[in-house]
Amino acid sequence: QSALTQPASVSGSPGQSITISCTGTSSDVGGYNYVSWYQQHPGKAPKLMIYEVSNRPSGVSNRFSGSKSGNTASLTISGLQAEDEADYYCSSYTSSSTLLFGGGTKLTVL
Amino acid sequence: EVQLLESGGGLVQPGGSLRLSCAASGFTFSSYAMSWVRQAPGKGLEWVSAISGSGGSTYYADSVKGRFTISRDNSKNTLYLQMNSLRAEDTAVYYCAKGYYYGSGTCYYMDVWGKGTTVTVSS
Repeated sequence: QSALTQPASVSGSPGQSITISCTGTSSDVGGYNYVSWYQQHPGKAPKLMIYEVSNRPSGVSNRFSGSKSGNTASLTISGLQAEDEADYYCSSYTSSSTLLFGGGTKLTVL
Repeated sequence: EVQLLESGGGLVQPGGSLRLSCAASGFTFSSYAMSWVRQAPGKGLEWVSAISGSGGSTYYADSVKGRFTISRDNSKNTLYLQMNSLRAEDTAVYYCAKGYYYGSGTCYYMDVWGKGTTVTVSS
């Protein structure tokens, strides 16, 4: 199975909002609400930021939000801060009972 | 505090074997599905395998099916990944991760991750 499709990079200035897309198929993103987003800083383990398309785990800032339309999920970060600069990965459960990650998006805060 | 600590990584020749371990603490280990996720140098995340809380159900990525075996010992709060017939493309940091939902048969999301252990396959 091919990885979910994410833009390689996005950027924004402090205080702005950015959106990262994640495109799959009806066998993964479009077929299930088991879509999640992870943040990874260099040399660190990934951190769960969004689960079940739009839910935030306890402790995650409400500046992070998620949505889905058809086969495409999106992560929006509002009020960008310097510490948001990281790699972001989407993930989806699939019809093969596996998990599929996106290729990752590098967020640069200008 | 919920913690996961991987061990067992190292340098191995192509065709060789290695067993990774992940020691869990701070939660009821047997009640949660667990996964292994890897990241090749400079690359993205790749899900490798998952196992139900009881160990009765296992799942694998096509890239490792038939070569890797996931297992767990709930009496020892430990997750394992037996890796056989290793290839250069298996070189990566391997993360152990806890499934989010209590009692779920598989990992839909992972809310706790270890720091990872590095596997290098090279002659």
